[in-house]
Amino acid sequence: DTGVSQDPRHKITKRGQNVTFRCDPISEHNRLYWYRQTLGQGPEFLTYFQNEAQLEKSRLLSDRFSAERPKGSFSTLEIQRTEQGDSAMYLCASSLARGGVSYNEQFFGPGTRLTVL
Amino acid sequence: GQQVMQIPQYQHVQEGEDFTTYCNSSTTLSNIQWYKQRPGGHPVFLIQLVKSGEVKKQKRLTFQFGEAKKNSSLHITATQTTDVGTYFCTGRGSTLGRLYFGRGTQLTVWP
Repeated sequence: DTGVSQDPRHKITKRGQNVTFRCDPISEHNRLYWYRQTLGQGPEFLTYFQNEAQLEKSRLLSDRFSAERPKGSFSTLEIQRTEQGDSAMYLCASSLARGGVSYNEQFFGPGTRLTVL
Repeated sequence: GQQVMQIPQYQHVQEGEDFTTYCNSSTTLSNIQWYKQRPGGHPVFLIQLVKSGEVKKQKRLTFQFGEAKKNSSLHITATQTTDVGTYFCTGRGSTLGRLYFGRGTQLTVWP
């Protein structure tokens, strides 16, 4: 399977715990995005990387959220001190940007569903 | 911040009927992309529109980008049960990279 993969697919945690999610993009894609989606809403942008550089981060993202893409391949999203409001589907997407043009489709992974009790 | 509004939020049609969803932005968009998300699934890219007034067709689906590049529409002719899902338009303004998703239009098709 050469699509975007995410791990785990489901995570149940207690409030106050830390969680980490992993995303493996399509191998040749240099851009990687994280989104959060709650029921009945569209995906909400969190952050994105070009190669290993984090180029943009949503102002909605609190300091409890951090993302990394250390080698420009897979990425991790960590949520510290989880709150019940963090319960959502966390989607990862990747795309290929060539020559400074980013007008390319994003390929989404299956998501990680987080439930905070 | 930039907002992308989509109407209607829900649409229920009988199989064979047509369906249209409309997308409006508060600012001019450099391009617009449409995605479809099946129930329980993840968004899947359908198409991208870049030029003012552009019209593109994919079988029974027709996509339009407004002349002012602030609105777009998706029209499905003769819906089928396989068209069920939520259709999202996404706009990209001056900021490279991020996509602004609306709430989408959830389409239900009755056989």
